[in-house]
Amino acid sequence: AQSVTQPDIHITVSEGASLELRCNYSYGATPYLFWYVQSPGQGLQLLLKYFSGDTLVQGIKGFEAEFKRSQSSFNLRKPSVHWSDAAEYFCAVGARGGGSNYKLTFGKGTLLTVNP
Amino acid sequence: EPEVTQTPSHQVTQMGQEVILRCVPISNHLYFYWYRQILGQKVEFLVSFYNNEISEKSEIFDDQFSVERPDGSNFTLKIRSTKLEDSAMYFCASSQGLDTDTQYFGPGTRLTVL
Repeated sequence: AQSVTQPDIHITVSEGASLELRCNYSYGATPYLFWYVQSPGQGLQLLLKYFSGDTLVQGIKGFEAEFKRSQSSFNLRKPSVHWSDAAEYFCAVGARGGGSNYKLTFGKGTLLTVNP
Repeated sequence: EPEVTQTPSHQVTQMGQEVILRCVPISNHLYFYWYRQILGQKVEFLVSFYNNEISEKSEIFDDQFSVERPDGSNFTLKIRSTKLEDSAMYFCASSQGLDTDTQYFGPGTRLTVL
């Protein structure tokens, strides 16, 4: 069965600093990988996804992630964090189910605090 | 931009009562999902639904749970006899159904079972 580990429960960075959120996955086949962000009272918003091809994926809000098969990792990065990036970030792996859909298995999330 | 909506935002119920959580997926989407997140734990897959039937369900999704698309717009999750451990945030999601389509999530319904 697939699983996702986000080793950091809570990260605090200063505004303008760079950010890297770690994600490791376990899945027997080629994974579909996702990063979602959740602000308080909001749903889960997709930041970026990896299905195949270029292992460096660009997303919204200036985020990027790199798929490293050898390390089973899909870390999320941003060169300069803004106060509005404070939220909870979830990494997920998609496993194909019946038909063309897939189910998502999430990590426990990393809460990002941004100091002014 | 179209979005998934869920009602109510917060539902409080007594143990043993039936609850229905409602979702309105994005209108041209074909796949529908329910996930839940118990406080402090991971978001967990419950069920996926396509063409008016369940595509896949997790071991959490036992006989106490059911899903329905009663009309062309709503997608519901029913819990027949709620237990304390059903207290969680329930997220609805939908996707167009192609291989690489994004699942769009609603804001969630917080269910509290007393």
